Amino acid sequence: EPEVTQTPSHQVTQMGQEVILRCVPISNHLYFYWYRQILGQKVEFLVSFYNNEISEKSEIFDDQFSVERPDGSNFTLKIRSTKLEDSAMYFCASSEAGTSGRKFFGPGTRLTVL
Amino acid sequence: QKEVEQNSGPLSVPEGAIASLNCTYSDRGSQSFFWYRQYSGKSPELIMFIYSNGDKEDGRFTAQLNKASQYVSLLIRDSQPSDSATYLCAVNGGSQGNLIFGKGTKLSVKP
Repeated sequence: EPEVTQTPSHQVTQMGQEVILRCVPISNHLYFYWYRQILGQKVEFLVSFYNNEISEKSEIFDDQFSVERPDGSNFTLKIRSTKLEDSAMYFCASSEAGTSGRKFFGPGTRLTVL
Repeated sequence: QKEVEQNSGPLSVPEGAIASLNCTYSDRGSQSFFWYRQYSGKSPELIMFIYSNGDKEDGRFTAQLNKASQYVSLLIRDSQPSDSATYLCAVNGGSQGNLIFGKGTKLSVKP
C-alpha cells in the first residue's frame, strides 16, 4: 500500500540553524500538508499546499517557515532560524482531495533544537 | 477559533468490551470528520472517516455523526489490548482540507 515517507527520522540542530525536513507524498495525491506535535500536546496544522502554491497556513507558520515542492515527488519544510520552541514532531500528510479527502500521515521527523 | 474537544481520559475498558470515544466541535459548517489512532511516538493512523449524519461501520469500528449536536463518536467493539492508544478526533478546518485535531483520548484495554 502506498505511504507517505519522511526523512530524516530525527534531526538535532543548534538554535539559529536552518533545517530542511523532507517528505515524499503518495504519488497520485494532490494536496500536501505539514503538521507539528509538541511533546504531550495536540497535532497542529501548519500549512497546506496545492497546485504548487500555499493554499492555507496557520498563525504558527510565520516568516521563519517555508515550503517547497522542488520536483514531482518531494515536498519540503524549511525552518530558517530554529528556536528552542520549534522542537517537536513534524508530520507530512497528503490527500487525494481537499475537504473530503482522506489525509494520510508520514512517520514524522523528530526535531530537537538545542 | 475553531475547536475540537475530547475527553483526555484515560479510558479503561476490559478486553472484549465496547469502547466509546466522544468528540464535539465548534464549527457548525464542518463537513468532514476523521478518527485517527496514534500509538506513543508514532504518527496518526487514519481508522475512520464520516461525512453524513448517522452511523458508518468498518469492521469493529463504528463512527457516529450528529451534525445538529455537533458531536461525533467512535465505538470500538470487542476491544483488544492492541487497541490501546490515543484516539484523535479531527475535523476539516478549511477549504483545502486542513484538519483541526482534538487533544485525543487515551484508551487502555486491559487483558
